[in-house]
Amino acid sequence: QKEVEQDPGPLSVPEGAIVSLNCTYSNSAFQYFMWYRQYSRKGPELLMYTYSSGNKEDGRFTAQVDKSSKYISLFIRDSQPSDSATYLCAMSALEYGNKLVFGAGTILRVKS
Amino acid sequence: KAGVTQTPRYLIKTRGQQVTLSCSPISGHRSVSWYQQTPGQGLQFLFEYFSETQRNKGNFPGRFSGRQFSNSRSEMNVSTLELGDSALYLCASSLGGAGHYEQYFGPGTRLTVT
Repeated sequence: QKEVEQDPGPLSVPEGAIVSLNCTYSNSAFQYFMWYRQYSRKGPELLMYTYSSGNKEDGRFTAQVDKSSKYISLFIRDSQPSDSATYLCAMSALEYGNKLVFGAGTILRVKS
Repeated sequence: KAGVTQTPRYLIKTRGQQVTLSCSPISGHRSVSWYQQTPGQGLQFLFEYFSETQRNKGNFPGRFSGRQFSNSRSEMNVSTLELGDSALYLCASSLGGAGHYEQYFGPGTRLTVT
């Protein structure tokens, strides 16, 4: 079983929809949680960085972490065609140093 | 502030050859991590360098090695290339030091082994 599970999709939504992306994990030591966006043939771009449980909002993006359920989410409001990309969750623990453990990535397609 | 740069962007090599990839981190960042991205395995951690020392290592064979210079620039080397080494190699930079910091990725080097 992988440490981080993420549905690869693809997830297809109409423009303006609220998108929900999720990851589950098995390692209770994970404390740092990230979401990256990766466009085709580009490097991952950091969207959200959170520590421990709770919510964090940045513009149209909201990240949620529920450590008791080992479940993290990224919500995208008012989705745009430009949001079409692969979304990767990543996690780390202090004992891992800077090593990130990634989910497989979810392909998102926003249709205009 | 300039982002993470990686050179070259594309490489084609033959099985058995070796290759060196380069990464320049964001100015002021002292930690550089390397990742391999393939369609089958996703993003996997190779190693991390901080202050010219390897601080952490993933589960890759010894053919994969790296180093970091005093200006924080890093190189990774893959010797005796195999077809399975074809991948996007990404480096990520962060402030480093004690604690955990945000990591910012470069555009990657796409390596094709024939």
